[in-house]
Amino acid sequence: KAGVTQTPRYLIKTRGQQVTLSCSPISGHRSVSWYQQTPGQGLQFLFEYFSETQRNKGNFPGRFSGRQFSNSRSEMNVSTLELGDSALYLCASSLSSGGAQETQYFGPGTRLLVL
Amino acid sequence: AQSVTQPDIHITVSEGASLELRCNYSYGATPYLFWYVQSPGQGLQLLLKYFSGDTLVQGIKGFEAEFKRSQSSFNLRKPSVHWSDAAEYFCAVGARGNTPLVFGKGTRLSVIA
Repeated sequence: KAGVTQTPRYLIKTRGQQVTLSCSPISGHRSVSWYQQTPGQGLQFLFEYFSETQRNKGNFPGRFSGRQFSNSRSEMNVSTLELGDSALYLCASSLSSGGAQETQYFGPGTRLLVL
Repeated sequence: AQSVTQPDIHITVSEGASLELRCNYSYGATPYLFWYVQSPGQGLQLLLKYFSGDTLVQGIKGFEAEFKRSQSSFNLRKPSVHWSDAAEYFCAVGARGNTPLVFGKGTRLSVIA
């Protein structure tokens, strides 16, 4: 079974632009979570989607948004990019939305550099 | 809300030596506890998890962790480290109910010959 895939793997943008990242979960998984990973803050939870509905949201500004499609694929969007948005963005999928007890399977991430 | 602390930012061990990575959590009830490993350029891979029951948990790649409620700890151990174990290790804590995991800042493990 294929793992979680994320596209693109690397991205360079300039301040003020917007970016869309994509995540395809493991087949049969219906929950997708997004995390931002930076050297200073570590892994921070962005949001979780289950059955096309946002179930949880982390403490990030409204510039960060996401959505999930009927096939469980998910996208996250960052508008008006800032230098501080440079990070590794990780997507994780799980079978359902049973909470923290559900094992999450992570993709390789998208490395975003904002210049 | 739950929180997790990994006191060691970077640890260096010799190949073949034993390893213990520390993890302390804060949560009012019995938490869900996880250890993940991240190799360079990779996502996170689950090593092991604790939900309830036996407090000594066995994981993949020869790792184990012990849940100690009295110390609010969930330390990761391996009796003999291999060079391929060099990576970043993350402890995570989850609460009952539909809440997201909280990750520690990670411990980077270097293995020397």
